[in-house]
Amino acid sequence: EPEVTQTPSHQVTQMGQEVILRCVPISNHLYFYWYRQILGQKVEFLVSFYNNEISEKSEIFDDQFSVERPDGSNFTLKIRSTKLEDSAMYFCASSDLRGRDYGYTFGSGTRLTVV
Amino acid sequence: GESVGLHLPTLSVQEGDNSIINCAYSNSASDYFIWYKQESGKGPQFIIDIRSNMDKRQGQRVTVLLNKTVKHLSLQIAATQPGDSAVYFCAEIRTTSGTYKYIFGTGTRLKVLA
Repeated sequence: EPEVTQTPSHQVTQMGQEVILRCVPISNHLYFYWYRQILGQKVEFLVSFYNNEISEKSEIFDDQFSVERPDGSNFTLKIRSTKLEDSAMYFCASSDLRGRDYGYTFGSGTRLTVV
Repeated sequence: GESVGLHLPTLSVQEGDNSIINCAYSNSASDYFIWYKQESGKGPQFIIDIRSNMDKRQGQRVTVLLNKTVKHLSLQIAATQPGDSAVYFCAEIRTTSGTYKYIFGTGTRLKVLA
């Protein structure tokens, strides 16, 4: 079964440092997403990406965040200057053509700990 | 305001019994709902979906019921097994800007007792 792969599984970083979270979506999917989940809370939408540009972003996704699809397989989330409150699980997801299958496939997540 | 929420934060059921997990939503314009299961340390896993033009959909051991009149969604798991222990989220799909952003509820933790 195709999977969304995320690396690393756990990242520890110092406050103020930049981090890049990496994702390899399912190969024939065209829509890509980042969500985050603060410990014990619900999964929150960050951003969606299609056709090499951001389609939609939430209030959480401020200027400290950026996404990129640097090549045909990777999809990255960059946090420029991490804050303590950025500590969370970050989930990447991908989906195929809309109108046919709305279901996402999520990766297993990257646990980001900012110290 | 718009919200998707769950009635019970924790549900404990005996192995072999049926489980019912509930969800309320407030946006009558939502046209698609999904139930996800999240096991500890893993990402959400698709269980079953339902479109707003349906009121019931069945899968393997799972059934989703949609009551649009009261904006209520439920997930029924038949013959609950230990492997069903997880957090279950309902998600509301709102189509904006050409993509499909999920709005997740808080989640219900299902504990299966041996």
